[in-house]
Amino acid sequence: HSALTQPPSAPGSPGQSVTISCTGTSSDVGGYNYVSWYQQHPGKAPKLMIFEVTKRPSGVPDRFSGSKSGNTASLTVSGLQAEDEADYYCFSYAGGNNFVFGTGTKVTVL
Amino acid sequence: EVQLVESGGGLVQPGGSLRLSCAASGFTFSSNWMSWVRQTPGKGLEWVANIKGDGGEKYYGDSVEGRFTISRDNAKNSLYLQGNSLRTEDTAVYYCARNVGGAFDYWGQGTLVTVSS
Repeated sequence: HSALTQPPSAPGSPGQSVTISCTGTSSDVGGYNYVSWYQQHPGKAPKLMIFEVTKRPSGVPDRFSGSKSGNTASLTVSGLQAEDEADYYCFSYAGGNNFVFGTGTKVTVL
Repeated sequence: EVQLVESGGGLVQPGGSLRLSCAASGFTFSSNWMSWVRQTPGKGLEWVANIKGDGGEKYYGDSVEGRFTISRDNAKNSLYLQGNSLRTEDTAVYYCARNVGGAFDYWGQGTLVTVSS
C-alpha cells in the first residue's frame, strides 16, 4: 500500500485556521472510518489527536477537528497557537490487516 | 498512568539481528492489541507489525514480512520485536504503541536502531 498523500507544509498565522488534507483511495481512507491523526513535535513521540475520522481523545483541545469526504480526510486546527507548530500524520486502516500512514505535513505558525 | 518503555536499540551490521523490548504498565496489557511503528531519520512513519492481546494473531508490514517477528509475554507485560537479516533501510526509531480500534492511543519514547557497517 502506498503512503497517503499529505501536503508537505501548511503555514498559518496565530488565531487563524489551517486544514491538512490526507488523500488515499477507496481501499483505505475512502473505504473505512478508521482514519486517525497524530501530532509530533521534534524529538518526541507522536500523539493521537483524532481517531475514527472525527473523534477527539480526552485532553485534546476542541480546536482540533477531523472530517472525511470520499477518499480524502482532513484535519482542521482552528485558532492556531504557537504550540500547534509540529508535524502531523494521518493514518488509515487499509483492509485485511493492512495499515498506512500519510507522508506528513509540517504546520508552521508564522 | 499508561507507560510504554522501549529498549534494545543500537548499532547492528547489515545482515545482523536485534531484539527490541517494550515494557508496559498502567493498563491491562493482555486486553490490548499492540503494535510496533518505526520512523526513519528525517522521514515519515511506517507501521511495522501488530499482535492481538492473547498473542494468537500477528500481522506484518510488507517491508518486514518474513524477517521480523512480533511477540509478547503477558505475564511480564512485555512486547518484543525480533528483527533478522537487517538492512540499512531498517535504520529507524522504533516505537511500541497501544492499539485502540484503528488508532494508536499511547506510544513509547522510541528506541533507535542503526544498521550500518
